[in-house]
Parts: sequence; C-alpha cells; structure tokens
Amino acid sequence: DAGITQSPRHKVTETGTPVTLRCHQTENHRYMYWYRQDPGHGLRLIHYSYGVKDTDKGEVSDGYSVSRSKTEDFLLTLESATSSQTSVYFCAISEQGGSTEAFFGQGTRLTVV
Amino acid sequence: AQSVSQHNHHVILSEAASLELGCNYSYGGTVNLFWYVQYPGQHLQLLLKYFSGDPLVKGIKGFEAEFIKSKFSFNLRKPSVQWSDTAEYFCAVNQNDYKLSFGAGTTVTVRA
Repeated sequence: DAGITQSPRHKVTETGTPVTLRCHQTENHRYMYWYRQDPGHGLRLIHYSYGVKDTDKGEVSDGYSVSRSKTEDFLLTLESATSSQTSVYFCAISEQGGSTEAFFGQGTRLTVV
Repeated sequence: AQSVSQHNHHVILSEAASLELGCNYSYGGTVNLFWYVQYPGQHLQLLLKYFSGDPLVKGIKGFEAEFIKSKFSFNLRKPSVQWSDTAEYFCAVNQNDYKLSFGAGTTVTVRA
C-alpha cells in the first residue's frame, strides 16, 4: 500500500466548530486530493494540490479550505462544520495528476451533530 | 465539466455468474479511464486503467474492461464472480488534467 496516513480516522464534532483533517504521505508525490464520499454520489472532489502552496477548488469546495506547506502534508479544514458535511473523507495522491494512478488513504469518518 | 455515469446502482448475483458494469462519460476528447474497487470498510484500490492502445484492458483479480470510443463507454467485466468480489465499484475519468471525475458507484453483492 502507498504510504498515506489520514488522521483522525473517526471524529464526531458539533455544528459550528472548526475541524481539521490531516493527510500525510511518504511517497513524495506532487499531487494530493481531498474527496468526500456520500451514498449515491460516489466520490466528489473538494480541493486538490499540485505542489507546495499550490491548491485549487474541486466541485464541492464551499465550506472547506486547504493548505499545503510541505510536500508530505495536505490539510483540509472545515471552518464551521455543518451537518451536511457529515461524510467519509478520503485523501488521495498521484505522481503526475490525473494521467497516473491515484492512491487513496483509509478515510476519515466525520460526523457533525 | 466531465460527467461519469454508472448505470447500475446495485447488482446482486450468484457465485460463478458473469458480471458487467456499465460506465459512460461525457467528454469527447482524449481521456484516461480507470476502474476502482472498494471492499467493505476499506479504501479505494485500482482494478485497471486505460490510457491508449488495445481497447481491451486486463486488470487484477480476473477483471477486464473494454473502451469503446464511439460509445464513450468503458464497461467492466468478469466472466465468473466470487463471493470475495462483493464490493463497490467506481468508474473514473481523467481528461488530461489534474483531476479524476468519479461515477456514483455500483454496489455488487455476490451470493454464495
């Protein structure tokens, strides 16, 4: 398995609180992604990064921000969590963007109550 | 934006039956195509991929997929499924940019 670690693996938080999810890779891949997985929607891209400090929005970026200060770490922040952000969040990495295989982390199950 | 459609939401079949899952995409230019599998409680893993060349692609665990450019399709097949193939299957498409677009997924349940 590719060296991708997501933390925490499970989190329950209250509406309105900030939450940060961390993705750490040991593969030195340039591209990193945050997806959310919801029943009936598959995986939807939240944000992605194509290098240190280089990030861009995906299709469901509202309410989320990201940061990448080092190649190995990609942080996803929910500034003020809402119940609609209850989901399973997956981090993925790839060496050359969409033209190469993406490797996925184990996922973080986030529940906003 | 790229659109990926998986026609079957849930497929139930018996062991040794043949499986075919449909995938269609909307973009007419050059694409890279993938099938991923997610076993219960696990992360996504690559089954197979198509970039160019022979449109019939063989992947792991006996799966194969056929790219038909004229139909914008990339259907996944397995001649004889096993109970261990119970999983969710995702088609994904890249149009030579940074991102993958995923279909909604197909849950496959194989009865022993």
